[in-house]
Amino acid sequence: NAGVMQNPRHLVRRRGQEARLRCSPMKGHSHVYWYRQLPEEGLKFMVYLQKENIIDESGMPKERFSAEFPKEGPSILRIQQVVRGDSAAYFCASSLLTPGQGRDSPLHFGNGTRLTVT
Amino acid sequence: DQQVKQNSPSLSVQEGRISILNCDYTNSMFDYFLWYKKYPAEGPTFLISISSIKDKNEDGRFTVFLNKSAKHLSLHIVPSQPGDSAVYFCAASDILTGGGNKLTFGTGTQLKVEL
Repeated sequence: NAGVMQNPRHLVRRRGQEARLRCSPMKGHSHVYWYRQLPEEGLKFMVYLQKENIIDESGMPKERFSAEFPKEGPSILRIQQVVRGDSAAYFCASSLLTPGQGRDSPLHFGNGTRLTVT
Repeated sequence: DQQVKQNSPSLSVQEGRISILNCDYTNSMFDYFLWYKKYPAEGPTFLISISSIKDKNEDGRFTVFLNKSAKHLSLHIVPSQPGDSAVYFCAASDILTGGGNKLTFGTGTQLKVEL
């Protein structure tokens, strides 16, 4: 009965390196969301994906950030050329229902990846 | 622009008493509201939700009240237990323009339930 699995739990990168964060949604869930929590702030929406499609990326920074959810395998959030301001907790969440089909499927969150940029 | 505000960063309550956590919002398009609980080093866990067509929703010890005219909602926990000590996030969504799970979160309130 695995929930949303994120790895790694902690990731340290030097400025300029790439960070790859992985997320496996709950079994049977085909909708994945990425949220970011900066220190002392609430979670902020980044991107919403379904299998092989980006549905809404309105919360993604315009440069260096990308996300994918391939047909096979986990969803990946990639941050290129990381800077200190990217240090945050990145949470992945999944849901069963398509938004609008019903409100009885709240997001299930993983335990997050804490990215530290040195 | 903070569209969902939780003005109390922390709250301390005695075990057995009522905990009341407050949340205000500014976006009149929000039509669905949720509360999440978060322990350190874990992801948020869904607690309870309310649609804008209701003014109250209850689930066991947890009750959420919505006052649309005031753009205010509150979470009541009664009786409070030590295991309720966590950060509570209020979140909102607008299904028409944002989708049901594109949530706007508040900054959270740290609840501490003391023995």
